[in-house]
Amino acid sequence: DAGVTQSPTHLIKTRGQQVTLRCSPISGHKSVSWYQQVLGQGPQFIFQYYEKEERGRGNFPDRFSARQFPNYSSELNVNALLLGDSALYLCASSSSTVNTEAFFGQGTRLTVV
Amino acid sequence: GQSLEQPSEVTAVEGAIVQINCTYQTSGFYGLSWYQQHDGGAPTFLSYNALDGLEETGRFSSFLSRSDSYGYLLLQELQMKDSASYFCARGDQGGKLIFGQGTELSVKP
Repeated sequence: DAGVTQSPTHLIKTRGQQVTLRCSPISGHKSVSWYQQVLGQGPQFIFQYYEKEERGRGNFPDRFSARQFPNYSSELNVNALLLGDSALYLCASSSSTVNTEAFFGQGTRLTVV
Repeated sequence: GQSLEQPSEVTAVEGAIVQINCTYQTSGFYGLSWYQQHDGGAPTFLSYNALDGLEETGRFSSFLSRSDSYGYLLLQELQMKDSASYFCARGDQGGKLIFGQGTELSVKP
């Protein structure tokens, strides 16, 4: 069985640009969450989607948005990129909204120059 | 606050036992999870405590005491491949996992 897949694996963008990151959850998992991980820190929660509805939002500006599709895949969109948005963006899937056991993808390494 | 506190670094020798502590300052969360992350890799789920007490999964065990706002991960029979970062994470409403800053474990021969 395929695990959580994310694309692209690496991305370089210029300040002010927009980026879309993609995530496919484990088959059968209806919950997808997004996290931002800066080097040397723990992942920071951005969003959770369950059954195509936003169930949770972290302390991130409105430049960050996401959506979940009928097949439970998800996109994270970041507008007006800042240098500080450079990070590893992780997607996690689970079978419930509580996330007692979350399965993470390998992440997208975003560099903003 | 919402933070979880972990030691930043721990060093141990191969074959030894090591305990990584996690303290927190809130109540009313679903449970405490532990994740392992190798450099550049995805966090991997290790263990979860919904209730107080000890959960054992092979060489890894995790403990939670809600009354003491404290948990720990115990790694036994350490192997070189256990060198990684370890995160405790609190499960909150809205599917939110609040992660600690992580503990970098170095296993020496």
